[in-house]
Amino acid sequence: DGGITQSPKYLFRKEGQNVTLSCEQNLNHDAMYWYRQDPGQGLRLIYYSQIVNDFQKGDIAEGYSVSREKKESFPLTVTSAQKNPTAFYLCASSITGQLRIWEHEQYFGPGTRLTVT
Amino acid sequence: AQTVTQSQPEMSVQEAETVTLSCTYDTSESDYYLFWYKQPPSRQMILVIRQEAYKQQNATENRFSVNFQKAAKSFSLKISDSQLGDAAMYFCAYRSRPLNRDDKIIFGKGTRLHILP
Repeated sequence: DGGITQSPKYLFRKEGQNVTLSCEQNLNHDAMYWYRQDPGQGLRLIYYSQIVNDFQKGDIAEGYSVSREKKESFPLTVTSAQKNPTAFYLCASSITGQLRIWEHEQYFGPGTRLTVT
Repeated sequence: AQTVTQSQPEMSVQEAETVTLSCTYDTSESDYYLFWYKQPPSRQMILVIRQEAYKQQNATENRFSVNFQKAAKSFSLKISDSQLGDAAMYFCAYRSRPLNRDDKIIFGKGTRLHILP
């Protein structure tokens, strides 16, 4: 079955440590996205990538970094510079380009809950 | 920049009744997509319904339908015959027709829907 996997589901880290969240998709989608979700804030875009080896900052990129070396993978690193890293992180993917409507939605992974103490 | 506003942080509805969730958006574009996503307690994001801006006809998916008012920039979601499984956070989302590198979906802050047995 095609889909998006995020691992692990729960992640615990000590303050000051960098941590990398995994996101893999086998949908052959060009675009991938990382969102952060906090209570009452909805989804806020961290980074997105429309093609391999290219990515753009979203609305809250500070303290995060990404790479896109392969089409199917878009890992997110939460660095020690991120002041409030504890949150729920969602990865998504979608097709881009001038295609039919039903191909423009985003497909989401199950999320990773990161707790930093 | 585009914005999406969901003015109802929480709503409740009696089981089997009908409920309408509000969404307004701001854009200067004429061609775009609108979506409603559902996030149940599992936190998996699920697409509920989609609407293409140039289509006048309101989208429907079984018990879910939208009232799309383009001039008013309004995109409300109606859930008929509410069921306990409809209890979730609902997000309204806006996506421009992809034309350039700046391709992302804008989410509202969500409405938490409670179903009363």
